[in-house]
Amino acid sequence: DADVTQTPRNRITKTGKRIMLECSQTKGHDRMYWYRQDPGLGLRLIYYSFDVKDINKGEISDGYSVSRQAQAKFSLSLESAIPNQTALYFCATSDSAQYNEQFFGPGTRLTVL
Amino acid sequence: DAKTTQPPSMDCAEGRAANLPCNHSTISGNEYVYWYRQIHSQGPQYIIHGLKNNETNEMASLIITEDRKSSTLILPHATLRDTAVYYCIVRRMDSSYKLIFGSGTRLLVRP
Repeated sequence: DADVTQTPRNRITKTGKRIMLECSQTKGHDRMYWYRQDPGLGLRLIYYSFDVKDINKGEISDGYSVSRQAQAKFSLSLESAIPNQTALYFCATSDSAQYNEQFFGPGTRLTVL
Repeated sequence: DAKTTQPPSMDCAEGRAANLPCNHSTISGNEYVYWYRQIHSQGPQYIIHGLKNNETNEMASLIITEDRKSSTLILPHATLRDTAVYYCIVRRMDSSYKLIFGSGTRLLVRP
């Protein structure tokens, strides 16, 4: 089984709908992240969490919210989806070791019509 | 975090070494150089990182110049599966979490 899983893998929705993307990890890592990627561009950080009680905004948090339900689960919500939130969304995890690498999930392709 | 500059695309022949350059002329003393790659819309994959010494692992080698203003990722025997976008990232080694992805280098390995 994959260490970092994301659900759903693909989603098509309409403008104004509320959407939740979920991420689960079995790596036992304390840190979790949400990124988005637009075509031809690198990843941009939306939110990150260093532990269950810690939530921080990244570069592009407007229009998004997150919930860290447990150490292993980190959800990203779009309260009212808009077309320019159409993108590929990645969850990642890392531990708190000094040289931590981030482990990425397979991604969720979201289309907002 | 220091900014990085990479060529937008490169290609190499299968079986040959792929040398991917990265310029990070504003790097500071406490910043490491990281390399990740992304194969066709999959999640990025960590490759290697280093501070000032050259590093090697099972995937690649990282050569950092003495002044640390540039580095080269070397894939010694590129295969078709190495076709991907390669990201060079500079980040601090305190409690910093940030991986700031630029647009990377698209490497095409030719048969």
